[in-house]
Amino acid sequence: SQQGEEDPQALSIQEGENATMNCSYKTSINNLQWYRQNSGRGLVHLILIRSNEREKHSGRLRVTLDTSKKSSSLLITASRAADTASYFCATDKGGSYIPTFGRGTSLIVHP
Amino acid sequence: SAVISQKPSRDICQRGTSLTIQCQVDSQVTMMFWYRQQPGQSLTLIATANQGSEATYESGFVIDKFPISRPNLTFSTLTVSNMSPEDSSIYLCSVEGGDRGSYGYTFGSGTRLTVV
Repeated sequence: SQQGEEDPQALSIQEGENATMNCSYKTSINNLQWYRQNSGRGLVHLILIRSNEREKHSGRLRVTLDTSKKSSSLLITASRAADTASYFCATDKGGSYIPTFGRGTSLIVHP
Repeated sequence: SAVISQKPSRDICQRGTSLTIQCQVDSQVTMMFWYRQQPGQSLTLIATANQGSEATYESGFVIDKFPISRPNLTFSTLTVSNMSPEDSSIYLCSVEGGDRGSYGYTFGSGTRLTVV
């Protein structure tokens, strides 16, 4: 069963706007990761945030983690058409360090 | 981070046949992971492959259906056996970056399988 669940399932925005995706999970974690997948290809690791971190930045990406609410958000600022992809959160669970993936958010950025 | 070469990138196969997917890593890695992604769905872990030992399969996946080889620290294969249309999916291999994935995981480019 999924550990993380992304919300919304689909997001459609204009180029230049910000995109926010959320991930909720059920059990305690050591870390949470975000991945991007273009057109059913391989996943690309974007960012990893540890359970003792609250916020992390990488370029136009900002990830927050709220362990009390068991949730995380991924913010993409000033989106570009090339950001069009599916975004997945992944968490480890139950003592296993192997990530379990959510269903993903499909992001479309219109030029 | 490691670079993974996965092939084939896609294939269309007849039901009842088998397909072997290969993943070659440019560095030695202890563990390799095989995932399945059914259309519009999340990734589901099939098995974990350690060099020199039998793969560890997740619930719902069995060795007879998905035999895995791991002959050395840079290579692994996954075979999808006796295929049916329900096996149509994207199959991905993955390796961990850093100790226990502390720097995330690297994925192959995926194999899109269609069974007709």
